[in-house]
Amino acid sequence: DAKTTQPPSMDCAEGRAANLPCNHSTISGNEYVYWYRQIHSQGPQYIIHGLKNNETNEMASLIITEDRKSSTLILPHATLRDTAVYYCIVRGFGNEKLTFGTGTRLTIIP
Amino acid sequence: DTEVTQTPKHLVMGMTNKKSLKCEQHMGHRAMYWYKQKAKKPPELMFVYSYEKLSINESVPSRFSPECPNSSLLNLHLHALQPEDSALYLCASSRKDMGLSYEQYFGPGTRLTVT
Repeated sequence: DAKTTQPPSMDCAEGRAANLPCNHSTISGNEYVYWYRQIHSQGPQYIIHGLKNNETNEMASLIITEDRKSSTLILPHATLRDTAVYYCIVRGFGNEKLTFGTGTRLTIIP
Repeated sequence: DTEVTQTPKHLVMGMTNKKSLKCEQHMGHRAMYWYKQKAKKPPELMFVYSYEKLSINESVPSRFSPECPNSSLLNLHLHALQPEDSALYLCASSRKDMGLSYEQYFGPGTRLTVT
């Protein structure tokens, strides 16, 4: 699976949109971009995934660039409960292995 | 029901003890996973069970012994652990369809301390 690069930490004001970037320049054609988050002392939580089209669900939106070398996870109206470590993972569809990188520690500021 | 449960929440064991961690899901998922997470590090995959058979062992020491007695249950048997094995142990499950694995759902973890 391709490697990802994320900023180690970010802050966002409560109520604003949080935009978390991820670089995956070596992604191959059949690999998906997955996002998980881990709130302190809890298990990771699946957020969203996508191949090349933008995706939206009740938690977030995923924007993937046309060349698929980078993506952005958008939390539209961040709340204090969104403070967590966010992991961007590239994974071949159907692959059993999920390899976590170091992630981005997002802190929502009141 | 989208929940993966793990027991116990906390476990303290000596290096000569034998203990087991338990994981359960009732989502009909046929893939189950064990991960280990050290403090301030990302989770690392240990084992994968697919249709109740061990499909991936990430070169985990034999003092960790996984078991999948049925499609809803996953155990991790621990024996002769070392203090450096202290960590959060996470269980996850995912749907399998046509042999492909989908997004994983994680339990809250068991925090293990080896003394």
